[in-house]
Amino acid sequence: EAGVAQSPRYKIIEKRQSVAFWCNPISGHATLYWYQQILGQGPKLLIQFQNNGVVDDSQLPKDRFSAERLKGVDSTLKIQPAKLEDSAVYLCASRGGRVGWNEQFFGPGTRLTVL
Amino acid sequence: KQEVTQIPAALSVPEGENLVLNCSFTDSAIYNLQWFRQDPGKGLTSLLLIQSSQREQTSGRLNASLDKSSGRSTLYIAASQPGDSATYLCAVLNTGGFKTIFGAGTRLFVKA
Repeated sequence: EAGVAQSPRYKIIEKRQSVAFWCNPISGHATLYWYQQILGQGPKLLIQFQNNGVVDDSQLPKDRFSAERLKGVDSTLKIQPAKLEDSAVYLCASRGGRVGWNEQFFGPGTRLTVL
Repeated sequence: KQEVTQIPAALSVPEGENLVLNCSFTDSAIYNLQWFRQDPGKGLTSLLLIQSSQREQTSGRLNASLDKSSGRSTLYIAASQPGDSATYLCAVLNTGGFKTIFGAGTRLFVKA
């Protein structure tokens, strides 16, 4: 079974530029998460999808961050415009089956550096 | 609001030692608790998942316990090895909103 795929693995941009990350979850997993992990901290949930609907985006800075999962499979997370404090690792995770009875599986992450 | 705390923040032990990592949470309304390992620059690898109705889970040299009423979980690592050096994170899945909340992690260094 293939794991969660993310791309790119690394990205360096200037502040005020735009950037997009891509995630392909494990096949059949209905729930997809995007997390932001700042160095030295645990991951913070940005947005959670159930199929192609948003379950929770309460911690997503909506003035600059957006995410979509149009066909209920892969997802993109966009930052526009980026700020210095957006430098972090962006992790995608997926979970399948009945809620609460399956593990979250994580991708390798995308390390973003904003200069 | 659920808060997850991990103690200690960092730990250095000699090879072969048995050790315990601690995780506490403030809201006992959880579906499960999951322990992860994170190597530098890498994503998270799931180690053990304990359902809310369970008391413990074991995998190899790892044993995780859960006391939901007191809001605590421990990860026990037996006979530690240098390859165990990593950051260990615990996360709870809340029943309300099915949101996952992570602790900040414990950075473990096992000296050869």
